[in-house]
Amino acid sequence: QKEVEQDPGPLSVPEGAIVSLNCTYSNSAFQYFMWYRQYSRKGPELLMYTYSSGNKEDGRFTAQVDKSSKYISLFIRDSQPSDSATYLCAMSANRGSTLGRLYFGRGTQLTVWP
Amino acid sequence: EAGVVQSPRYKIIEKKQPVAFWCNPISGHNTLYWYLQNLGQGPELLIRYENEEAVDDSQLPKDRFSAERLKGVDSTLKIQPAELGDSAVYLCASSFGGSGNTIYFGEGSWLTVV
Repeated sequence: QKEVEQDPGPLSVPEGAIVSLNCTYSNSAFQYFMWYRQYSRKGPELLMYTYSSGNKEDGRFTAQVDKSSKYISLFIRDSQPSDSATYLCAMSANRGSTLGRLYFGRGTQLTVWP
Repeated sequence: EAGVVQSPRYKIIEKKQPVAFWCNPISGHNTLYWYLQNLGQGPELLIRYENEEAVDDSQLPKDRFSAERLKGVDSTLKIQPAELGDSAVYLCASSFGGSGNTIYFGEGSWLTVV
C-alpha cells in the first residue's frame, strides 16, 4: 500500500461545475499538506498549502484537511477550461527519518469542457 | 525572479549510454531536490541536498545514478548506463530550508531511452 492514495480519474466536468478532488494517507506523521497543479509537459506548480488540520481558501480553491480520517480534499468552484490539468496531492512529515521528503499521490487528471 | 531552471528539457538516448541533467535552483534556496516522475504517477524523491550535503539519498539507485551539488548551488544528476526503464521525467526542485517550507519545481527533463 502506498503512503498516499489518489484516484487518477480521469474526471471530466462542464465549465462552472464544482470539482472535488481527494487523497487519503496512512502516515500519521504527515503535518504539511499541499496541492500541486501540473499542466501537460510542465513541472508541478504549488496551488495550496495547509499545515495540520483545517480549511484554507484562496479564490476559487478550498483545501480541507481531516487528520482524524487521514483525508484531504481540494474543491474548485466555478471551474474553468483553464483548470484542465493534473492535480497532485502531496504531504510531508515534521519528524522522523523522512523529514523534508514530499510524498505525492499519483494525480487526478481533470478536464473542464466549455 | 527566475524559477528553477533545468536542462536539457528533452533528451533521447540509446540504452547503455550515459546522460546528465543540470539544475539551477532559485537564488537563495539552500535545499535542492531531484524527483523522478514516471508516466501517470506522482513524483518520487531521488535525493535531497541541504547546501552541499546529500541528507536523503536512500531512494537513489546508486549502482547507476549519481548526483552532485558543488558549491551548494547548481546540481547535476547522472545516469550511467541508462536502461529502458529510466524513461521518465526528472524534476529538480528547491526550497529555502527543509521540512514545511514551500518547494518549487522546475519544468523537468524528459528522458526517453530507446
